Amino acid sequence: DSGVTQTPKHLITATGQRVTLRCSPRSGDLSVYWYQQSLDQGLQFLIQYYNGEERAKGNILERFSAQQFPDLHSELNLSSLELGDSALYFCASSVESGPGNTIYFGEGSWLTVV
Amino acid sequence: DAKTTQPPSMDCAEGRAANLPCNHSTISGNEYVYWYRQIHSQGPQYIIHGLKNNETNEMASLIITEDRKSSTLILPHATLRDTAVYYCIVRPLNSGGGADGLTFGKGTHLIIQP
Repeated sequence: DSGVTQTPKHLITATGQRVTLRCSPRSGDLSVYWYQQSLDQGLQFLIQYYNGEERAKGNILERFSAQQFPDLHSELNLSSLELGDSALYFCASSVESGPGNTIYFGEGSWLTVV
Repeated sequence: DAKTTQPPSMDCAEGRAANLPCNHSTISGNEYVYWYRQIHSQGPQYIIHGLKNNETNEMASLIITEDRKSSTLILPHATLRDTAVYYCIVRPLNSGGGADGLTFGKGTHLIIQP
């Protein structure tokens, strides 16, 4: 158990809908990362937050957005869903940012768009 | 970012040491080498990381060559549960607000044979 908690574990929704994935980082971790893993793309970095502020963006679509709240939990919002958005979405956290700080991953949220 | 090269797959007999190589010839002097593994569709699991010196923990040992251009992850007594995709990642420095997370390649699919 990494200490990173993600909900829901599984989610099935229809095209055009909107969903919210939630992440609770490890206790004391200030930095949160979101990753997407689909069969054909591997693990792709989406976005990073640090202490409530957006720090970096990766391959995140404009239909997707995220935020980190004062209690440090984070949410990833996916809207106008398409079949191709079906994937595993991972949240990860680290104490600080920077290469010496180990990043720990949650178990992911399976999103299926039908 | 420094890139890594790993063999796509490897086999190892159960109970033997599994030695997973990684080339990172363009690594910079202050970039870390991280190893993660992912057991089918679970969240990536942190294994070990190092900068210059060899490192050992309860899971594995990391051997980094003196010129830092390559490294080897050693699982001393492989079990069937070690079957997974192993990722060698060079962690970039955070350059003025850029992403300082992890960039995953394709990794090595390690199969432990009974």
